[in-house]
Amino acid sequence: EVQLLESGGGLVQPGGSLRLSCAASGFPFGNYAMTWVRQAPGKGLEWVSGINNNGDTTYYAAFVKGRLTISRDNRKNTLYLQMDNVRAEDTAVYYCAKDRYGSALYAFDHWGQGTLVTVSS
Amino acid sequence: DIQMTQSPASLSASVGDRVTIICRASQSINTYLNWFQQRPGKAPRLLIYGASTLQSGVPSRFSGSGSGTDFSLTISSLQAEDFATYYCQQSYTSLITFGQGTRLEIK
Repeated sequence: EVQLLESGGGLVQPGGSLRLSCAASGFPFGNYAMTWVRQAPGKGLEWVSGINNNGDTTYYAAFVKGRLTISRDNRKNTLYLQMDNVRAEDTAVYYCAKDRYGSALYAFDHWGQGTLVTVSS
Repeated sequence: DIQMTQSPASLSASVGDRVTIICRASQSINTYLNWFQQRPGKAPRLLIYGASTLQSGVPSRFSGSGSGTDFSLTISSLQAEDFATYYCQQSYTSLITFGQGTRLEIK
């Protein structure tokens, strides 16, 4: 059974940093692209970033502007999102999701339960 | 970025009804269109990928169609568990975008 477990969320001050993790199990992690999607309270889904299966190609939404960095460790079956210089508008539940394919982003067929990031002073 | 526009924004229907949700892309995306269901407090669930392919485990009352810029998701006979919010998403470009969502409510 595919399982994705996010961690690392919490309360952070504006301008601060946070690293989210997503521990994967139940499938060959290194074979699949992965992505982060966020959802602000009461709002819709917003794609944040994605990474191909071997980690050498990354993709970012325009609003990221160098503040967020996606990475993966295929030896540890873990996906990461480094969040720097966070802003109030980054407050959201952050989901990691597995893609159906490996080399590019296509369709997210399994999702974690999400981790809440709150940016506030 | 490719803009995805869903209609209606919300919809009231009854168990057993047939409902259709529309998704329009700001430019042609071939069939790189996926549909997700999200129940309150839960993670999204992939229903349809490639515009019309049913994801494994999804009931056959869900169907998708379309290509180019115009797409639709149809639920043939609503069940109680189908009342949720539905999102379309394009993957034609690596700048992934979602529609704003359609909230399906019980009449």
